[in-house]
Amino acid sequence: EIVLTQSPDFQSVAPQETVTITCRASQSIGRSLHWYQQKPGQSPKLLVKYTSQSLSGVPSRFNGSGSGTDFTLTINSLEAEDAATYYCHQSSSLPLTFGGGTKVEIK
Amino acid sequence: QVHLQESGPGLVKPSETLSLTCSVSGGSISSFYWNWIRQSPGKGLEWIGNIYFTGTTNYNPSFKSRVTISVDTSKNEFSLRLNSVTAADTALYYCARTYSGSSFSSFQHWGQGTQVIVSS
Repeated sequence: EIVLTQSPDFQSVAPQETVTITCRASQSIGRSLHWYQQKPGQSPKLLVKYTSQSLSGVPSRFNGSGSGTDFTLTINSLEAEDAATYYCHQSSSLPLTFGGGTKVEIK
Repeated sequence: QVHLQESGPGLVKPSETLSLTCSVSGGSISSFYWNWIRQSPGKGLEWIGNIYFTGTTNYNPSFKSRVTISVDTSKNEFSLRLNSVTAADTALYYCARTYSGSSFSSFQHWGQGTQVIVSS
């Protein structure tokens, strides 16, 4: 099973600043890494697929990068509505697995 | 717009079987992979398994001996059965659809989730 380790667990950031979340895989997963945003009481929402592919309706301030074992989600110019927990997910091999999550708080 | 809705008992007794159904609307179930995922404070997000409309299944080995996922294309729904539940199976259960027609894909659409508590 591929283990995904996210860091940090928690980040408190002021509006308009940049947030960087990392996800490290226990073995190479190519670019089969996806990012989700989950707000309290809601289901996860797909933000970025296959490392860096954007999705319709997702603000352009959300950007993904990386390959192999190291991946990053960057949120530029943080907005109040971005307060949420962010998860990475790998689809390189079964069982599909998720990272432990990074909670982003707005200062 | 595809909409997924989970349904089933919110309370299950230990050692009994958890049964949930996911109803799909706004699109046909006859494509894509249909997944069950659960979320608990202790274990975070866990993928349980998925099914293709043909009936092909993939299961997480952590659940394999206890889980069955089935599909009913005539009703546009798929189901989860988890046997011999314990308190550790208490979680919020989601159904979700893959982005593409591959098992190795992201999850584009999610249900709202249904809370299941295992308790006598």
